[in-house]
Amino acid sequence: ELKVEQNPLFLSMQEGKNYTIYCNYSTTSDRLYWYRQDPGKSLESLFVLLSNGAVKQEGRLMASLDTKARLSTLHITAAVHDLSATYFCAVGGRNTGNQFYFGTGTSLTVIP
Amino acid sequence: GAGVSQSPRYKVAKRGQDVALRCDPISGHVSLFWYQQALGQGPEFLTYFQNEAQLDKSGLPSDRFFAERPEGSVSTLKIQRTQQEDSAVYLCASSHTDIQETQYFGPGTRLLVL
Repeated sequence: ELKVEQNPLFLSMQEGKNYTIYCNYSTTSDRLYWYRQDPGKSLESLFVLLSNGAVKQEGRLMASLDTKARLSTLHITAAVHDLSATYFCAVGGRNTGNQFYFGTGTSLTVIP
Repeated sequence: GAGVSQSPRYKVAKRGQDVALRCDPISGHVSLFWYQQALGQGPEFLTYFQNEAQLDKSGLPSDRFFAERPEGSVSTLKIQRTQQEDSAVYLCASSHTDIQETQYFGPGTRLLVL
């Protein structure tokens, strides 16, 4: 069974600090997705990483993908309170039998 | 344009009751997915449609769960004889064409089985 693991599960950080969330997955996948979920809300797509070495940036968030290591990272630069949310990575598509697998999520709290 | 909508947003059911959850995907989206999200967990895949064809239903937890998309647009997830362990948020997502494209999620239906 494909496993997607994120760490840390909980992250509390001060505004202005940098940190990285890690996503490991257990089988080959060419695509890696990052989503954000605010409390009581649905999931919002952040990034789709399509190939080995892909890097995408949006504001204070930057995501990268290493398919050989089966690892994706979500780097937060100079955190602000508005980034407080739960972040999920996911793998899936044709190469995983038409199924999608989400990680357990990283709950991020940015403290003023 | 309108996003993915789901109804009802909240549903309380007595154990043993049947429930039906509706999903309206983004207009023109070919692919539709259902997920179950337990409290504090990531979404778990239930089933996938491409147009009206259900291409994968391997994530449905039991034969009490049934999903359909008869005309290739609106989808319904039906749970028969609900059990307490069915309590969760049920999320619907759609993507434009291919399964590997970005999925757009609806707000979810929060089901509580008493």
